[in-house]
Amino acid sequence: GAVVSQHPSWVICKSGTSVKIECRSLDFQATTMFWYRQFPKQSLMLMATSNEGSKATYEQGVEKDKFLINHASLTLSTLTVTSAHPEDSSFYICSARPEERPYNEQFFGPGTRLTVL
Amino acid sequence: DQQVKQNSPSLSVQEGRISILNCDYTNSMFDYFLWYKKYPAEGPTFLISISSIKDKNEDGRFTVFLNKSAKHLSLHIVPSQPGDSAVYFCAATPGGATNKLIFGTGTLLAVQP
Repeated sequence: GAVVSQHPSWVICKSGTSVKIECRSLDFQATTMFWYRQFPKQSLMLMATSNEGSKATYEQGVEKDKFLINHASLTLSTLTVTSAHPEDSSFYICSARPEERPYNEQFFGPGTRLTVL
Repeated sequence: DQQVKQNSPSLSVQEGRISILNCDYTNSMFDYFLWYKKYPAEGPTFLISISSIKDKNEDGRFTVFLNKSAKHLSLHIVPSQPGDSAVYFCAATPGGATNKLIFGTGTLLAVQP
C-alpha cells in the first residue's frame, strides 16, 4: 500500500513552453500532497503544499505564478511549470500522506526529470 | 539556513559491519524525525521514524537513536548489506497542523562486498 505515481518520469521541453507533471496516490486518498525539487547532489527542497479543494501554500522564494499547482481530487495533484527556462531543469518529486498514517510519514513518487533546452 | 544537517556527505562500510549515519538539527520545535533512503532518479523511500518522546526505535536491521539535548539523531544499520548502498536523508517535522518535512543534505552510503 501507500503507492504514489508520477507522470511523466522524464520530459524535455523548449524554453518558454509549459510542462505539466501529475502526481497520483494509487491506493489511498490524500487531502495533502507536497511538491519538492532536487538539484544534483543537493537536498530535497519543499516547493509547496497542495491541499485538495483549496489553494496551494508556497514556500518562500517559490513563484506561485510560475509553478501552478492544482489538487483537483483526493488522488491527483498537478504541477505546471509555466514558461520554463533552463534554470528550471531539475528533478521534481511529489509526496502524499495517507490520513491513517501516524504523525507525518510521507510517501514519495518516483520523481520527474525536467530538462529545459 | 539549514535546519537539518548531515555533515558527512559520504560513508563507506564493509559488508556485515555497522553503518552509522548522523544528523543534527537546530529547531527545538521539531517533534518527529524520519529517515529516507533514495536511489538515483527515484523518489525517497521511507525507512524508519521516531517521535521526540522516545530515544530509540528499532525495525529489523535499522535502529534510530534520538538525543534531544544534543539535537542529534543517528541511524544504525547492522549488518550492512550491499543493497543498502544509497543516499540516506534524515528529515524533521514540527508536526501539529503542518506536515512539512525539512530534509537534510543526505549521506551517500557505499557498502563494499
